[in-house]
Amino acid sequence: EVQLVESGGGLVQPGGSLRLSCAASGFTFGAYWMTWVRQAPGKGLEWVANIKQDGSERQYVDSVKGRFTISRDNAKNSLFLQMNSLRVEDTAVYYCARRDYSNYRLWYFDYWGQGSLVTVSS
Amino acid sequence: DIQMTQSPSSLSASVGDRVTITCRASQSIYNYLNWYQQKPGVAPKLLIYGALTLQSGVPSRFNGSGSGTDFNLTISALQPEDFATYYCQQSYSTPPDTFGQGTKLQI
Repeated sequence: EVQLVESGGGLVQPGGSLRLSCAASGFTFGAYWMTWVRQAPGKGLEWVANIKQDGSERQYVDSVKGRFTISRDNAKNSLFLQMNSLRVEDTAVYYCARRDYSNYRLWYFDYWGQGSLVTVSS
Repeated sequence: DIQMTQSPSSLSASVGDRVTITCRASQSIYNYLNWYQQKPGVAPKLLIYGALTLQSGVPSRFNGSGSGTDFNLTISALQPEDFATYYCQQSYSTPPDTFGQGTKLQI
């Protein structure tokens, strides 16, 4: 059974840092792109970042470029999101998700973690 | 970036009803369109990918259609567990992987 379990969320002051982790099991972690998606309270879903299987390619939404870093440790089946210079508007539930594809590189997010709440407030 | 617009933003329906949610892309995305269902306090769940292919385990009352810029998610014979928020997402031109703003389906 595929499982994704996030941890590391919490309350942080504006300008602070936080590191989220996502522990994966039930599949060959190193064979998949992985993703972070966030959801602000009462709002919709916002894609944050993707990382390729070997970590050689990373993609970010413009609003977090230069502040957030996605990384992975395939030996430990773990995904990370290092968040620096946090802003109030980064407050959200952060989900890790597996990014898979079908024919013709038709990408989708087929498994999601339960989410980790990050609150940025003074 | 490709923008995704869903309509309506909210929808009231009853058990047994047939409902349709629409998603429009700002440019053609061919069939690179996915649908997700999210219930309160729970992670999203993939329902349909490639505009019309049901994810494994998703009931057949869910149906996806469309191509190009206009897409529909139709639920025939609503069940109590179908009341949730639905999101479309394009994967034709990424990054970014953009979502629609969501459609809340309520009783």
